[in-house]
Amino acid sequence: QVQLVESGGDVVQPGRSLRLSCAVSGFTFRNYAMHWVRQAPGKGLEWVAVISYDGSHTFYADSVKGRFTISRDNSKNTLYLQMSSLRTEDMAVYYCATSQGRYCSGNGCYSDNWGQGTLVTVSS
Amino acid sequence: DIQLTQSPSFLSASVGDRVTITCRASQGISSYLAWYQQKPGKAPKLLIYAASTLQSGVPSRFSGSGSGTEFTLTISSLQPEDFATYYCQQFNSYPLTFGGGTKVEIK
Repeated sequence: QVQLVESGGDVVQPGRSLRLSCAVSGFTFRNYAMHWVRQAPGKGLEWVAVISYDGSHTFYADSVKGRFTISRDNSKNTLYLQMSSLRTEDMAVYYCATSQGRYCSGNGCYSDNWGQGTLVTVSS
Repeated sequence: DIQLTQSPSFLSASVGDRVTITCRASQGISSYLAWYQQKPGKAPKLLIYAASTLQSGVPSRFSGSGSGTEFTLTISSLQPEDFATYYCQQFNSYPLTFGGGTKVEIK
């Protein structure tokens, strides 16, 4: 079955960097766009970024644009989120999630599979 | 950016009740909307996509309707396992956005 396993969450100081990974199995990763979604403690869901099947197209939430980079290695079935200049407001559980099709477009963007999440704590 | 406003943000209901949650978009999004259920400490679960299409394996007591700017998620007969928080999400344009959530609690 489809499995998404996030890792890399840690406690970091404001201004530092961190890279999250999402290891995928159970489907043909290279054929699908992928998302990162986050949830601050006690808060709602916030979409972070999406990447197309081949990495050629990426889109970001305004709150992370210029600081976060989504990428993928289809040979390793792994999705990444490079986070830099971290702020206290970036503290959250980060989920990776599947999209539908090669590009996230219209009703091809919903997420039917999610990882269990990895916690990023930003604190001095 | 497209804002999604869910109402109510909290509701208290009993087992067997019919429950309706509304999601209003700040501009038209056609049918590019999904609904998710989330329980504490767990990842979200997809319930509905394309505004009204039931995800495989989701009980038929869940239904979605609407297009344009107003959407509803209805649970026809609330079951104990349905007590959770529900979110809508739009895919009409970037950045993708979620509603603020509706927490359904036991009365």
